[in-house]
Amino acid sequence: GQQVMQIPQYQHVQEGEDFTTYCNSSTTLSNIQWYKQRPGGHPVFLIQLVKSGEVKKQKRLTFQFGEAKKNSSLHITATQTTDVGTYFCAVLANFGNEKLTFGTGTRLTIIP
Amino acid sequence: GAGVSQSPSNKVTEKGKDVELRCDPISGHTALYWYRQSLGQGLEFLIYFQGNSAPDKSGLPSDRFSAERTGGSVSTLTIQRTQQEDSAVYLCASSRGGLAGNNEQFFGPGTRLTVL
Repeated sequence: GQQVMQIPQYQHVQEGEDFTTYCNSSTTLSNIQWYKQRPGGHPVFLIQLVKSGEVKKQKRLTFQFGEAKKNSSLHITATQTTDVGTYFCAVLANFGNEKLTFGTGTRLTIIP
Repeated sequence: GAGVSQSPSNKVTEKGKDVELRCDPISGHTALYWYRQSLGQGLEFLIYFQGNSAPDKSGLPSDRFSAERTGGSVSTLTIQRTQQEDSAVYLCASSRGGLAGNNEQFFGPGTRLTVL
């Protein structure tokens, strides 16, 4: 089945530092989604990337989809305490397949 | 508007008992998904519905797990003869259309199941 590797598993940063999480697949992806889950909460959709080489920004968050559509990254500039949580990527392997496979997540903690 | 709701929010049961978990999707959302999240882990896909039909049941862990959806709305996930390894948070999500059509998925708050 579809597998997706997400690194790092944990990241501790000082408030104000940048943060990046990476998602890698061995197969070409139709699209990739990113979610944020606050401690004790449920996943919340952040964004979806579809096109090769696509870059999207949401305020301090920058999302990239690789040219080969096999990897993606989420970068947060100047982290704030509100950024605390676990960030998951999720992928659909094939067009028309609704089975969303989630990465293992990167847990971000902020040191004030 | 109202989001995805799930009930109960918490369920404690004894090993061997059956449990039924309910999901009310956002009105008008045709796609509905069930996931399981064990403590500190990622989300594990269980099953999805398009309308009332479930094209892909491959994620169900065993034949003790079943799910149905009626009227294109409410869905129930049933676990028979619960085992301790079934303890997890069961999350439901709904989408206006299929994810392959680039639709966003909205999650409910989850049901925390504890099997003693």
